[in-house]
Amino acid sequence: GQQLNQSPQSMFIQEGEDVSMNCTSSSIFNTWLWYKQDPGEGPVLLIALYKAGELTSNGRLTAQFGITRKDSFLNISASIPSDVGIYFCAGFYTGANSKLTFGKGITLSVRP
Amino acid sequence: NAGVTQTPKFQVLKTGQSMTLQCAQDMNHEYMSWYRQDPGMGLRLIHYSVGAGITDQGEVPNGYNVSRSTTEDFPLRLLSAAPSQTSVYFCASNTGSGANVLTFGAGSRLTVL
Repeated sequence: GQQLNQSPQSMFIQEGEDVSMNCTSSSIFNTWLWYKQDPGEGPVLLIALYKAGELTSNGRLTAQFGITRKDSFLNISASIPSDVGIYFCAGFYTGANSKLTFGKGITLSVRP
Repeated sequence: NAGVTQTPKFQVLKTGQSMTLQCAQDMNHEYMSWYRQDPGMGLRLIHYSVGAGITDQGEVPNGYNVSRSTTEDFPLRLLSAAPSQTSVYFCASNTGSGANVLTFGAGSRLTVL
């Protein structure tokens, strides 16, 4: 089945730093999503991307849909303590019985 | 508008016991699904439903049953709990119109002793 690769499993940054996360796949997708999960909560959508090459921002977050349709990245600028959490990428390809495929997530820690 | 509501938030079971995790959404979403989250494994799809009366298996369906008698509700049943089912369970829904943007519940943490 389709798999999404997110690495490393954990990232540690200093408050104020920028951080970039990649998500890669062996298959193409026509939708890329980025979710954030706060401790003890369910994942919440951050950014949705629907077109190859698309670059979308949401506050300090910017995400891009890779030109090859096999990757996406999420950038967080000027990190703050509340950015801590697990960041999941997810991909979808429209078709019969298609389902959303999730990466394993990256746990982000921000040191004050 | 409460979104996706899951109950209970926490549950402890003994091996062999049965229980039902409840999920309800008030957004009139056709598509509902159940995921389990385990450390280092991400979110894995258990079962899903594209509408009332229709259910199908996901990636890890063994040991779980679902039904979808109404658009609003999608309960997940464990008929005979096993320690391997200790996990955090998330219910999610979306419009099923192709947007594929899931709205998740807050999760149910299950421990099987």
